Amino acid sequence: GAVVSQHPSRVICKSGTSVKIECRSLDFQATTMFWYRQFPKQSLMLMATSNEGSKATYEQGVEKDKFLINHASLTLSTLTVTSAHPEDSSFYICSARDRGSVSTDTQYFGPGTRLTVL
Amino acid sequence: AQSVTQLGSHVSVSEGALVLLRCNYSSSVPPYLFWYVQYPNQGLQLLLKYTTGATLVKGINGFEAEFKKSETSFHLTKPSAHMSDAAEYFCAVTTYSSASKIIFGSGTRLSIRP
Repeated sequence: GAVVSQHPSRVICKSGTSVKIECRSLDFQATTMFWYRQFPKQSLMLMATSNEGSKATYEQGVEKDKFLINHASLTLSTLTVTSAHPEDSSFYICSARDRGSVSTDTQYFGPGTRLTVL
Repeated sequence: AQSVTQLGSHVSVSEGALVLLRCNYSSSVPPYLFWYVQYPNQGLQLLLKYTTGATLVKGINGFEAEFKKSETSFHLTKPSAHMSDAAEYFCAVTTYSSASKIIFGSGTRLSIRP
């Protein structure tokens, strides 16, 4: 149980285009999902917290107009990188908190999406 | 605010040797502490976590960690390293009041020598 998937696993796009990444909780409902960014050989940096049915909360320094987050249902959150540039190339990882779990501290992580902007 | 410091960006041990990955935390309220493992080009897998109760926590793959409040530490250990343990390890902290935000350490890459 507690599986989180991401799609696509890898994406290559041209500079100036937009890319959408999906994060799904497969066997549980997630009221809260998180989006992280990871540069090579570095740690995960929280970008934003996504709550179902409400606007995402962005961390300081993250451009909300560039990284659009939508949490339309209890099992799906999407991250859209708009007008992507080479500096947006990174590994994007989502995580989800199980709504039905008495343990509110555990997040389940997706396998990540490697974005390369040419 | 919470923070995590992982001492040593790279640790190398021989197969069969003790694994010790160090983690110190800072938190103004009781912390929840985690260790995650990440294999190349993959997401994170939870190894173990401490929330309350017993300070010695056992996780998957033979790993364990001990919460030491007096030392603000949560070091990860494994008695005997396997080649399959080679990966990146992240220590992380959150608190009940932080709306589940997890703060990650910088990571420690574990290499296993044959």
